[in-house]
Amino acid sequence: GAVVSQHPSWVICKSGTSVKIECRSLDFQATTMFWYRQFPKQSLMLMATSNEGSKATYEQGVEKDKFLINHASLTLSTLTVTSAHPEDSSFYICSARTWGTGGSYNSPLHFGNGTRLTVT
Amino acid sequence: ELKVEQNPLFLSMQEGKNYTIYCNYSTTSDRLYWYRQDPGKSLESLFVLLSNGAVKQEGRLMASLDTKARLSTLHITAAVHDLSATYFCAVATPTGNQFYFGTGTSLTVIP
Repeated sequence: GAVVSQHPSWVICKSGTSVKIECRSLDFQATTMFWYRQFPKQSLMLMATSNEGSKATYEQGVEKDKFLINHASLTLSTLTVTSAHPEDSSFYICSARTWGTGGSYNSPLHFGNGTRLTVT
Repeated sequence: ELKVEQNPLFLSMQEGKNYTIYCNYSTTSDRLYWYRQDPGKSLESLFVLLSNGAVKQEGRLMASLDTKARLSTLHITAAVHDLSATYFCAVATPTGNQFYFGTGTSLTVIP
């Protein structure tokens, strides 16, 4: 149980274009999803907390106009990287918890398989 | 912001040996988690530690939590090659829902 699906797994785009990444909870509902960014051989950096039906909460230093988050349903959150530049190339991972929709307060994060974005 | 540090960052060990990875965090938290990440892959949940003195074991891995010292350890017993991966600890904020990750420990077990 608690499967998170992320799509696409990898994407290559040209500088200046926008890219949308989808994150779905397949067998549970998630009022909150989280978006992380990971550079090679580094830790995960929390970018934003995506809240169903309301605005996302962004971490300090993360440009909300650059990384648009939409959480329109209890099973889907999207991250759009707008006007992508080579420095946006990274591994983006979404995650969700079952807490709040039947799961325990202590439940861990369940992660999608990640999206490797390369901006040329 | 809650800060989470791990050491060592890199660990190369021979099969059969024991070693411990340390995770320190900066503020009070009631939940600590350990994850494993294989190269190019996502994260797999290993342990959930919820109280002072908590100890969890799964196979050759054992995790513990000391909330007073704000320290968690991941002990590896008689390492095998299959344990080669990057291990992350993550701490959940006490009043919120955010998880902050440690710097990661890249473990390589040498035959």
